[in-house]
Amino acid sequence: SQTIHQWPATLVQPVGSPLSLECTVEGTSNPNLYWYRQAAGRGLQLLFYSVGIGQISSEVPQNLSASRPQDRQFILSSKKLLLSDSGFYLCAWRGENWRGNEQFFGPGTRLTVL
Amino acid sequence: GDSVTQMEGPVTLSEEAFLTINCTYTATGYPSLFWYVQYPGEGLQLLLKATKADDKGSNKGFEATYRKETTSFHLEKGSVQVSDSAVYFCALSRGSTLGRLYFGRGTQLTVWP
Repeated sequence: SQTIHQWPATLVQPVGSPLSLECTVEGTSNPNLYWYRQAAGRGLQLLFYSVGIGQISSEVPQNLSASRPQDRQFILSSKKLLLSDSGFYLCAWRGENWRGNEQFFGPGTRLTVL
Repeated sequence: GDSVTQMEGPVTLSEEAFLTINCTYTATGYPSLFWYVQYPGEGLQLLLKATKADDKGSNKGFEATYRKETTSFHLEKGSVQVSDSAVYFCALSRGSTLGRLYFGRGTQLTVWP
């Protein structure tokens, strides 16, 4: 069966520090991968998506970036964090058999920027 | 463009009460519709889905019917439990290669014993 992992689970970082969040998927190949952010009291915002290794598309201009160095690994990064980057970051995947349409989410990383 | 609108929360109910969370959508064609649930401190879990008009998705006592004529996908449960307390998200996908999901803003449900 397929599983999705995210780490770390929680993170507290000072403003201006770098960021690296990792997401890995097991049990599937060539998935679509997605990064979402959920700010406090708000809905989900799609940040990045990837349909293959090295292929990244950004939905919202910001100081975050994403990379996909391996088929089942998706990394969210920043060189300098802002206070507004605080939130709950969720990684999701969708299978190669895309007719199912639904996405499956990881447990999330709660980021607090102080 | 594609979008989802769901009722503003929070919703507070007593145990065994009837639940309805309204969801309407705007999309071209025939999107698939979903309800996701997020328990405190966790990621999202797929609760149920429907892929064509008049389909009824159901899971854990929750139901939602895909109504194309009213572009709605309202979530219902006949008797809620304290353990149903969570945030509920309505979403749609038009099934493109990208598979993008469009989410509503979420509805916080709190059930009191």
